[in-house]
Amino acid sequence: GENVEQHPSTLSVQEGDSAVIKCTYSDSASNYFPWYKQELGKRPQLIIDIRSNVGEKKDQRIAVTLNKTAKHFSLHITETQPEDSAVYFCAALNTGTASKLTFGTGTRLQVTL
Amino acid sequence: DAGVTQSPTHLIKTRGQQVTLRCSPKSGHDTVSWYQQALGQGPQFIFQYYEEEERQRGNFPDRFSGHQFPNYSSELNVNALLLGDSALYLCASSLFRYQETQYFGPGTRLLVL
Repeated sequence: GENVEQHPSTLSVQEGDSAVIKCTYSDSASNYFPWYKQELGKRPQLIIDIRSNVGEKKDQRIAVTLNKTAKHFSLHITETQPEDSAVYFCAALNTGTASKLTFGTGTRLQVTL
Repeated sequence: DAGVTQSPTHLIKTRGQQVTLRCSPKSGHDTVSWYQQALGQGPQFIFQYYEEEERQRGNFPDRFSGHQFPNYSSELNVNALLLGDSALYLCASSLFRYQETQYFGPGTRLLVL
Protein backbone atom coordinates (compact mmCIF):
# COMPACT_ATOMS: atom_id res chain seq x y z
CA GLY A 1 0.00 0.00 0.00
CA GLU A 2 0.87 3.66 -0.11
CA ASN A 3 3.33 5.08 2.40
CA VAL A 4 3.83 8.81 2.94
CA GLU A 5 6.80 10.26 4.78
CA GLN A 6 6.83 13.87 5.97
CA HIS A 7 9.67 16.11 7.13
CA PRO A 8 10.44 17.93 9.31
CA SER A 9 8.35 16.88 12.29
CA THR A 10 8.71 20.34 13.83
CA LEU A 11 9.55 23.66 12.23
CA SER A 12 10.04 27.02 13.89
CA VAL A 13 10.24 30.20 11.81
CA GLN A 14 10.10 33.89 12.54
CA GLU A 15 7.12 35.88 11.42
CA GLY A 16 7.57 36.99 7.83
CA ASP A 17 9.93 34.15 6.92
CA SER A 18 9.07 31.27 4.60
CA ALA A 19 8.33 27.70 5.66
CA VAL A 20 8.75 24.56 3.58
CA ILE A 21 7.40 21.11 4.42
CA LYS A 22 8.33 18.09 2.33
CA CYS A 23 6.63 14.76 1.69
CA THR A 24 7.55 11.66 -0.26
CA TYR A 25 5.20 8.92 -1.38
CA SER A 26 5.80 5.34 -2.42
CA ASP A 27 3.00 4.46 -4.85
CA SER A 28 3.73 5.90 -8.29
CA ALA A 29 0.02 5.50 -9.13
CA SER A 30 -0.98 8.15 -6.56
CA ASN A 31 -2.28 11.19 -8.39
CA TYR A 32 -3.92 13.45 -5.82
CA PHE A 33 -2.01 15.24 -3.05
CA PRO A 34 -3.87 17.43 -0.53
CA TRP A 35 -2.50 19.38 2.39
CA TYR A 36 -4.44 19.79 5.62
CA LYS A 37 -3.92 22.27 8.47
CA GLN A 38 -4.98 21.19 11.94
CA GLU A 39 -5.03 23.69 14.77
CA LEU A 40 -5.01 22.40 18.33
CA GLY A 41 -8.29 20.68 19.10
CA LYS A 42 -9.76 21.46 15.70
CA ARG A 43 -10.61 19.51 12.57
CA PRO A 44 -8.10 19.01 9.72
CA GLN A 45 -8.83 21.75 7.21
CA LEU A 46 -8.06 21.32 3.50
CA ILE A 47 -5.84 24.26 2.52
CA ILE A 48 -4.57 23.29 -0.93
CA ASP A 49 -4.32 20.27 -3.19
CA ILE A 50 -2.55 19.30 -6.38
CA ARG A 51 -3.11 16.64 -9.00
CA SER A 52 -0.43 14.77 -10.86
CA ASN A 53 -1.03 16.57 -14.14
CA VAL A 54 0.14 19.83 -12.56
CA GLY A 55 3.62 20.70 -11.31
CA GLU A 56 2.78 23.67 -9.11
CA LYS A 57 -0.26 25.37 -7.65
CA LYS A 58 -0.52 28.65 -5.73
CA ASP A 59 -3.15 30.21 -3.54
CA GLN A 60 -2.08 33.55 -2.09
CA ARG A 61 0.74 32.82 0.39
CA ILE A 62 0.53 29.06 -0.03
CA ALA A 63 2.00 27.00 -2.86
CA VAL A 64 2.48 23.30 -3.48
CA THR A 65 4.97 21.72 -5.87
CA LEU A 66 4.99 18.16 -7.17
CA ASN A 67 7.84 16.14 -8.63
CA LYS A 68 6.32 12.92 -10.00
CA THR A 69 9.65 11.46 -11.05
CA ALA A 70 11.10 11.76 -7.56
CA LYS A 71 7.73 11.06 -5.93
CA HIS A 72 7.83 14.03 -3.65
CA PHE A 73 5.75 17.12 -3.07
CA SER A 74 6.21 20.19 -0.91
CA LEU A 75 4.19 22.89 0.80
CA HIS A 76 5.56 26.42 0.74
CA ILE A 77 4.19 29.15 2.98
CA THR A 78 5.53 32.66 2.40
CA GLU A 79 5.34 35.68 4.69
CA THR A 80 4.36 33.50 7.62
CA GLN A 81 2.03 34.88 10.27
CA PRO A 82 1.33 33.71 13.85
CA GLU A 83 -2.02 32.30 12.71
CA ASP A 84 -0.12 29.90 10.43
CA SER A 85 1.01 28.05 13.58
CA ALA A 86 -0.57 24.59 13.44
CA VAL A 87 0.14 20.98 12.49
CA TYR A 88 0.26 20.42 8.75
CA PHE A 89 -0.42 17.02 7.17
CA CYS A 90 0.29 15.93 3.63
CA ALA A 91 -1.63 13.06 2.09
CA ALA A 92 -1.72 10.99 -1.08
CA LEU A 93 -4.41 9.09 -2.94
CA ASN A 94 -4.87 7.14 -6.17
CA THR A 95 -8.21 8.26 -7.56
CA GLY A 96 -8.35 5.29 -9.90
CA THR A 97 -8.36 2.52 -7.33
CA ALA A 98 -8.84 3.99 -3.90
CA SER A 99 -10.64 6.70 -2.05
CA LYS A 100 -8.67 6.53 1.15
CA LEU A 101 -6.24 9.28 1.99
CA THR A 102 -2.86 8.10 3.28
CA PHE A 103 -1.45 10.76 5.57
CA GLY A 104 2.03 11.74 6.58
CA THR A 105 2.94 12.01 10.26
CA GLY A 106 2.52 15.77 10.40
CA THR A 107 4.70 18.86 10.83
CA ARG A 108 4.21 21.16 13.79
CA LEU A 109 4.84 24.70 12.52
CA GLN A 110 5.52 27.40 15.08
CA VAL A 111 5.65 31.00 13.85
CA THR A 112 7.34 33.23 16.41
CA LEU A 113 7.08 37.01 16.67
CA ASP B 1 -24.52 25.58 3.86
CA ALA B 2 -24.05 23.10 6.70
CA GLY B 3 -20.60 21.66 7.16
CA VAL B 4 -19.72 18.19 8.45
CA THR B 5 -21.03 17.58 11.95
CA GLN B 6 -20.20 14.83 14.44
CA SER B 7 -21.60 13.74 17.78
CA PRO B 8 -20.78 13.42 20.54
CA THR B 9 -17.75 15.68 20.89
CA HIS B 10 -16.24 13.69 23.74
CA LEU B 11 -16.85 10.24 25.14
CA ILE B 12 -15.40 8.21 28.00
CA LYS B 13 -15.85 4.43 28.02
CA THR B 14 -14.31 1.48 29.83
CA ARG B 15 -12.60 -1.53 28.30
CA GLY B 16 -14.99 -4.06 26.80
CA GLN B 17 -17.80 -1.58 26.26
CA GLN B 18 -19.31 -0.64 22.90
CA VAL B 19 -19.56 2.84 21.39
CA THR B 20 -21.48 4.47 18.54
CA LEU B 21 -20.29 7.68 16.90
CA ARG B 22 -22.37 9.72 14.47
CA CYS B 23 -21.64 11.88 11.44
CA SER B 24 -23.71 14.09 9.18
CA PRO B 25 -21.98 14.96 5.90
CA LYS B 26 -21.71 18.37 4.34
CA SER B 27 -24.87 19.44 2.53
CA GLY B 28 -24.91 17.91 -0.95
CA HIS B 29 -22.33 15.22 -0.17
CA ASP B 30 -23.17 11.53 -0.44
CA THR B 31 -20.02 9.75 0.74
CA VAL B 32 -18.67 9.38 4.26
CA SER B 33 -15.21 8.16 5.26
CA TRP B 34 -14.08 7.47 8.82
CA TYR B 35 -10.56 7.98 10.14
CA GLN B 36 -8.87 7.33 13.47
CA GLN B 37 -6.29 9.86 14.65
CA ALA B 38 -4.13 8.79 17.56
CA LEU B 39 -2.38 11.53 19.54
CA GLY B 40 0.49 13.01 17.56
CA GLN B 41 -0.25 10.97 14.44
CA GLY B 42 -1.88 11.50 11.09
CA PRO B 43 -5.40 10.19 10.49
CA GLN B 44 -5.68 6.48 9.58
CA PHE B 45 -8.44 5.34 7.21
CA ILE B 46 -11.03 3.00 8.74
CA PHE B 47 -13.66 2.65 6.00
CA GLN B 48 -15.83 4.50 3.52
CA TYR B 49 -19.59 4.37 2.92
CA TYR B 50 -21.51 5.21 -0.22
CA GLU B 51 -25.04 4.20 -1.17
CA GLU B 52 -25.40 2.64 2.29
CA GLU B 53 -22.61 0.15 1.58
CA GLU B 54 -19.05 -0.17 2.83
CA ARG B 55 -16.97 0.53 -0.28
CA GLN B 56 -13.46 0.28 1.08
CA ARG B 57 -11.83 -0.69 4.34
CA GLY B 58 -8.49 0.03 5.95
CA ASN B 59 -6.48 -2.21 8.30
CA PHE B 60 -8.92 -2.24 11.18
CA PRO B 61 -10.42 -5.33 12.87
CA ASP B 62 -14.03 -6.40 12.58
CA ARG B 63 -14.71 -4.77 15.94
CA PHE B 64 -15.03 -1.62 13.86
CA SER B 65 -18.25 -1.52 11.87
CA GLY B 66 -20.39 1.14 10.31
CA HIS B 67 -23.60 2.07 8.69
CA GLN B 68 -24.89 4.71 6.30
CA PHE B 69 -28.48 5.88 6.29
CA PRO B 70 -30.63 6.98 3.32
CA ASN B 71 -30.02 10.63 4.28
CA TYR B 72 -26.24 9.96 3.88
CA SER B 73 -25.48 10.29 7.59
CA SER B 74 -23.31 7.57 9.04
CA GLU B 75 -22.46 5.75 12.25
CA LEU B 76 -19.22 4.16 13.41
CA ASN B 77 -19.55 1.35 15.94
CA VAL B 78 -16.67 -0.07 17.93
CA ASN B 79 -17.21 -3.22 20.01
CA ALA B 80 -15.12 -4.68 22.82
CA LEU B 81 -13.21 -1.45 23.34
CA LEU B 82 -9.50 -1.62 24.04
CA LEU B 83 -7.30 1.02 25.67
CA GLY B 84 -5.63 1.46 22.28
CA ASP B 85 -8.91 2.60 20.75
CA SER B 86 -8.52 5.92 22.54
CA ALA B 87 -8.21 8.48 19.75
CA LEU B 88 -9.92 11.26 17.83
CA TYR B 89 -12.40 9.76 15.37
CA LEU B 90 -12.87 11.91 12.31
CA CYS B 91 -15.57 11.72 9.71
CA ALA B 92 -14.90 13.11 6.24
CA SER B 93 -17.53 13.80 3.62
CA SER B 94 -17.23 14.03 -0.13
CA LEU B 95 -19.12 13.67 -3.37
CA PHE B 96 -18.61 10.14 -4.70
CA ARG B 97 -17.55 11.33 -8.15
CA TYR B 98 -14.99 13.66 -6.53
CA GLN B 99 -14.36 11.48 -3.51
CA GLU B 100 -10.73 12.45 -3.25
CA THR B 101 -11.69 15.92 -2.01
CA GLN B 102 -12.66 15.21 1.56
CA TYR B 103 -13.84 17.65 4.21
CA PHE B 104 -13.47 16.70 7.84
CA GLY B 105 -15.82 17.08 10.74
CA PRO B 106 -14.67 18.27 14.18
CA GLY B 107 -14.22 14.72 15.42
CA THR B 108 -15.23 12.72 18.47
CA ARG B 109 -12.56 12.29 21.10
CA LEU B 110 -12.88 8.83 22.65
CA LEU B 111 -11.11 7.92 25.86
CA VAL B 112 -11.11 4.26 26.92
CA LEU B 113 -10.25 3.61 30.56
